[in-house]
Amino acid sequence: DQQVKQNSPSLSVQEGRISILNCDYTNSMFDYFLWYKKYPAEGPTFLISISSIKDKNEDGRFTVFLNKSAKHLSLHIVPSQPGDSAVYFCAAPTRGAQKLVFGQGTRLTINP
Amino acid sequence: KAGVTQTPRYLIKTRGQQVTLSCSPISGHRSVSWYQQTPGQGLQFLFEYFSETQRNKGNFPGRFSGRQFSNSRSEMNVSTLELGDSALYLCASSLDGTGKNIQYFGAGTRLSVL
Repeated sequence: DQQVKQNSPSLSVQEGRISILNCDYTNSMFDYFLWYKKYPAEGPTFLISISSIKDKNEDGRFTVFLNKSAKHLSLHIVPSQPGDSAVYFCAAPTRGAQKLVFGQGTRLTINP
Repeated sequence: KAGVTQTPRYLIKTRGQQVTLSCSPISGHRSVSWYQQTPGQGLQFLFEYFSETQRNKGNFPGRFSGRQFSNSRSEMNVSTLELGDSALYLCASSLDGTGKNIQYFGAGTRLSVL
């Protein structure tokens, strides 16, 4: 049962343009979401999070949007830079626990 | 502040052997979680320890076990290794283990079972 889904395995974007990564979830009990970035041979690095009481959270070039009615969140990166090339995971903790449920990841490639 | 440290970074074992992986959390963090990453199954939760007690467990067989010491350092053990246990094992630490704490990950231990 895939409770968190990232339906695009890969995404290619021109440097300087906007990258939009999408994530859907099925468990309506999720009330907090996180995005992680992962480079090869490294562990995931926390990027940005959002609580379900908000519909947007911004941190520099990164903005996460949450649409609770659609059970959908997206990560916007503006402007995209070559160093943003990595695999991006969205994740949600089960209620009251530290168990993170991850999506399958989206490989983002920024082309110069 | 030092990050999450996992040792060793790489391991090669043969079927039937057992293995122990180590994780040192960020100083002051009391919760340690373990995850397995494989190409087919993605990132899956193994278990979480807080104050030397296992609080949460994922859907893995009993061959996977762990423990946490009084200094919050954690070890994970896999007995009777199978080929399918080949994976990247990631450890993450967080402050006090409540659901909205950010988990910070180590670089992982790459286990290959031959």
